[in-house]
Amino acid sequence: NAGVMQNPRHLVRRRGQEARLRCSPMKGHSHVYWYRQLPEEGLKFMVYLQKENIIDESGMPKERFSAEFPKEGPSILRIQQVVRGDSAAYFCASSSVGDTQYFGPGTRLTVL
Amino acid sequence: KNQVEQSPQSLIILEGKNCTLQCNYTVSPFSNLRWYKQDTGRGPVSLTIMTFSENTKSNGRYTATLDADTKQSSLHITASQLSDSASYICVVILTGGGNKLTFGTGTQLKVEL
Repeated sequence: NAGVMQNPRHLVRRRGQEARLRCSPMKGHSHVYWYRQLPEEGLKFMVYLQKENIIDESGMPKERFSAEFPKEGPSILRIQQVVRGDSAAYFCASSSVGDTQYFGPGTRLTVL
Repeated sequence: KNQVEQSPQSLIILEGKNCTLQCNYTVSPFSNLRWYKQDTGRGPVSLTIMTFSENTKSNGRYTATLDADTKQSSLHITASQLSDSASYICVVILTGGGNKLTFGTGTQLKVEL
């Protein structure tokens, strides 16, 4: 049973470009969470999704950030018009209902 | 102010020695408290999970304790190994929080020969 998959592992973007981060949950998991880890800081919750629904997006910046978890395919975290402050590690986790969250290896975004 | 505070921020110990990491939290009510291990460049991995009614939980050389009255938790690592070098993160899940994790800033542990 493959774990949580994230791609790309490293992503470099110039200011103003778009970044798309993908997360494939563990088999059988229908809950996906996105977290951001800024340099020298702890992980911060961004958004919690189930298939085709956003359950909690209280940690998402109001602008430029969006997330989806379609019926088919991976969950996508999309950052439009990236700025240097978006440089961070973005982790995805998945779980069954109310169960332990399993984390992916993360995507390290660098904005030049 | 972070709702989950950890100490020390970093720690260096010799291989084979024991150590204890501390976690103080202000969030409540919570459904459970977890300790995660995060290797450099990797995602966090769950070590222990304790509900608010549990006092201690062990996983191999890792033993976590919880005092819900003082809102403190500790993670004790016995007979440390080089592979224990990592960041150890205390995480609280709020009751009714929809499984949303609140992370501490972590303790960076380095085990040396």
